Amino acid sequence: DTTVKQNPRYKLARVGKPVNLICSQTMNHDTMYWYQKKPNQAPKLLLFYYDKILNREADTFEKFQSSRPNNSFCSLYIGSAGLEYSAMYLCASSRDRYEQYFGPGTRLTVL
Amino acid sequence: GQQVQQSPASLVLQEGENAELQCNFSTSLNSMQWFYQRPGGSLVSLFYNPSGTKHSGRLTSTTVIKERRSSLHISSSQTTDSGTYLCAPLTGNTGKLIFGLGTTLQVQP
Repeated sequence: DTTVKQNPRYKLARVGKPVNLICSQTMNHDTMYWYQKKPNQAPKLLLFYYDKILNREADTFEKFQSSRPNNSFCSLYIGSAGLEYSAMYLCASSRDRYEQYFGPGTRLTVL
Repeated sequence: GQQVQQSPASLVLQEGENAELQCNFSTSLNSMQWFYQRPGGSLVSLFYNPSGTKHSGRLTSTTVIKERRSSLHISSSQTTDSGTYLCAPLTGNTGKLIFGLGTTLQVQP
């Protein structure tokens, strides 16, 4: 089973409010990733966890937080949502940073 | 500049025709991953190909690292092949994927 699950599938948030997105996988993968995709743009890596170590991309370092309470779960947290955060958020996982398997995504709309 | 370029941007075929999708990249890579996505659907991994040629049914992926290119060949296309095909070089030791904008394929009956 190569299933990655994401919750919720759709999220509506108000400007200035926090947002928490959840991802889970049961493949015992050591690495979990979060990507952001906006219309007419390529998916872009935001951050990833390798085991318990969080790595954030330099240009999104201060905008997103994440936690990984156990091997199966990973969250993406936005402390104060802005209009520019409206996007599709894709979670992926892999073993040893090889082939990545993606979830269905969470579509976040900030109003 | 854009690190990953896919061509063509869009393609329309008649059922039964073959398609060749190209991916060129300026970054160094450890491997290449190809994905398929239906409108509103998930990214489905088609190939994880560090180098050389791999086959899966009617699909063939060829990656030539030295020339910084990869291709996806679809033979005898079917209407169910319609969707977007994305290539993504896997870079560095972090497993980071750098995506292209994709090729949108429409196969007409």
